[in-house]
Amino acid sequence: SQELEQSPQSLIVQEGKNLTINCTSSKTLYGLYWYKQKYGEGLIFLMMLQKGGEEKSHEKITAKLDEKKQQSSLHITASQPSHAGIYLCGADSEYGNKLVFGAGTILRVKS
Amino acid sequence: DTAVSQTPKYLVTQMGNDKSIKCEQNLGHDTMYWYKQDSKKFLKIMFSYNNKELIINETVPNRFSPKSPDKAHLNLHINSLELGDSAVYFCASSQELPPRFVRYGYRHGYTFGSGTRLTVV
Repeated sequence: SQELEQSPQSLIVQEGKNLTINCTSSKTLYGLYWYKQKYGEGLIFLMMLQKGGEEKSHEKITAKLDEKKQQSSLHITASQPSHAGIYLCGADSEYGNKLVFGAGTILRVKS
Repeated sequence: DTAVSQTPKYLVTQMGNDKSIKCEQNLGHDTMYWYKQDSKKFLKIMFSYNNKELIINETVPNRFSPKSPDKAHLNLHINSLELGDSAVYFCASSQELPPRFVRYGYRHGYTFGSGTRLTVV
């Protein structure tokens, strides 16, 4: 079965600093999803990547999928307190019928 | 309008009780899911239903019984609640893609509800 490893497990950054979260898969990624979760709230969809080498950006968040489709990174530029939360990467199964999630990365942004 | 809505948002109950969590989606999606997020924030699939038919059952105890009266609703009933059932339960939905689209690498989006925090005391 597919396993996703996220690193780091937790991260504390000073406001304004850049940061990167990584997601590594034990198998080829057919669809890689990034979600954000604030405490006590649901999952907010950020981005989905499918093709090797693909890169997407939304506001100050950029996600990339490597050419081999086994690793993805999420980069936040000039972090703000509103970026704080849990970031989860999820991989779609080969048959497109379920998501397998990484353990999540807890991000705290200090003002 | 909330795309995937779950009720209740919080549920505190005693061991041994039976409880239900309801989920409704207004996206017209064919497939609905239940995920469980444990105390370590690890999110794992429990069930999926496609057009009211059970597709995935990830070795969940028989005390958990999903019910889908129609493709817009997927409820989760839990019998004889145990302390270890305390978690956040998320409902999600997605649009089914034809198998040939999936083979070609197309993927759809998954929309999640806001979660139900179940605490068993």
